Amino acid sequence: EPEVTQTPSHQVTQMGQEVILRCVPISNHLYFYWYRQILGQKVEFLVSFYNNEISEKSEIFDDQFSVERPDGSNFTLKIRSTKLEDSAMYFCASTPGQENTEAFFGQGTRLTVV
Amino acid sequence: GESVGLHLPTLSVQEGDNSIINCAYSNSASDYFIWYKQESGKGPQFIIDIRSNMDKRQGQRVTVLLNKTVKHLSLQIAATQPGDSAVYFCAESRGGYNKLIFGAGTRLAVHP
Repeated sequence: EPEVTQTPSHQVTQMGQEVILRCVPISNHLYFYWYRQILGQKVEFLVSFYNNEISEKSEIFDDQFSVERPDGSNFTLKIRSTKLEDSAMYFCASTPGQENTEAFFGQGTRLTVV
Repeated sequence: GESVGLHLPTLSVQEGDNSIINCAYSNSASDYFIWYKQESGKGPQFIIDIRSNMDKRQGQRVTVLLNKTVKHLSLQIAATQPGDSAVYFCAESRGGYNKLIFGAGTRLAVHP
C-alpha cells in the first residue's frame, strides 16, 4: 500500500539552527501539506502546497518557515532559525485531488529544539 | 477561540462493548468530516469520512453520524478490541484544498 514517508524520524537541534524536514508524498498525489502537533495537543495545519506554490498557510507559518518541492518526489519543510516552541511532531500529508478526499499522513518527524 | 490542553478526555470501555466518541465541530460551512486514529508515536490514520449531504455512513465495525443542526459528529465502534486503544480525532474541511481542522481528541482505553 502506498504511503507517505518522512525523514528523519527524530531530529534534535540547537535553538537558532536551521532544520529541514523531508517528506516523500504518495507518487500520484497532487496536494501536499505540513501539520504539526505539540506534545499532548491537537494536530494543527501549517501549510498546503499545490502546483509548486503555497495555496494556504496558517498563522503559525511565519517567515521562519518555508516549503519546497525540489524535485518530483520530495517535499520539504525548512525552519530557518528554530525556537524552543518549535519542538513538536511534524506531519506531512498528501491527497490525490482537490475535492474532499482522504489525506494520507506520514509517521511524522519529532523535532526537539534544545 | 480554540481550547487546547495536555489532558485529553478519556473513554474507558470493556473489550467487546460498543464505543461512542463525540466531537463538536466549529464551522457550519464545513462540508467534509473525517475521523482519524492516532497511536502513540505515529501519524493520524484515516478511519472513515462523511460528506455534509449525508447523516450516516458505515464502515467495517465503525459508523459515523453527522448532525449538522447542532454541528456534532460521532464515531461508533462496534465490539471494541484492545487494538482500538488510541487517540481519536475528528477533523473538518471546507472543501477547496482540503485543509483539515482537527478537534482536540479523545483517548479510547479498552480493557480486557
